[in-house]
Amino acid sequence: AQRVTQPEKLLSVFKGAPVELKCNYSYSGSPELFWYVQYSRQRLQLLLRHISRESIKGFTADLNKGETSFHLKKPFAQEEDSAMYYCALTGAGGTSYGKLTFGQGTILTVHP
Amino acid sequence: DAEITQSPRHKITETGRQVTLACHQTWNHNNMFWYRQDLGHGLRLIHYSYGVQDTNKGEVSDGYSVSRSNTEDLPLTLESAASSQTSVYFCASSERLSGEQYFGPGTRLTVT
Repeated sequence: AQRVTQPEKLLSVFKGAPVELKCNYSYSGSPELFWYVQYSRQRLQLLLRHISRESIKGFTADLNKGETSFHLKKPFAQEEDSAMYYCALTGAGGTSYGKLTFGQGTILTVHP
Repeated sequence: DAEITQSPRHKITETGRQVTLACHQTWNHNNMFWYRQDLGHGLRLIHYSYGVQDTNKGEVSDGYSVSRSNTEDLPLTLESAASSQTSVYFCASSERLSGEQYFGPGTRLTVT
């Protein structure tokens, strides 16, 4: 069975500080990992995916297969980064392909 | 602009009543999904569909049903509402089975 764990329900940082949202996963095959974000009064939306290896809004995430992690990082947090962040996984094939398994979510608050 | 909508946005119902939540997308996506969002659990997959007349059970499908008679709509029915089904429900769609899904605004359902 596939599983995504986000150990922190709440994370608070000050503006300009580095931020790291942790995500660990378990999956027996080849996973594809994503970060979704939900800003206040907005829809859940895709932030980034590991296969793109891109930086979105200053955020990056590297898939570490050895540690089965996909932590989201930003060197300098901004107040507008305050949101709920979800890590999600899908299998790269087979019956789980296209179906997302989400972590429990982390509420990030960036204080001025 | 193409989009995905949900109705109603808020619903209060009584235990034992049948409730249907609507989801409509205008992207012509084949893949549609229903999730429930609960604190501490993140988003959990209820049902999903890969095309017209195709429906599949997700992780938490007991007490829920869906039908797919056209590409645009995937209504979610609670056969006999229970207090444990009080939650926020999200519908999503995707063009490809890549994990990138587009989410609706959500329906907040309260079962009293």
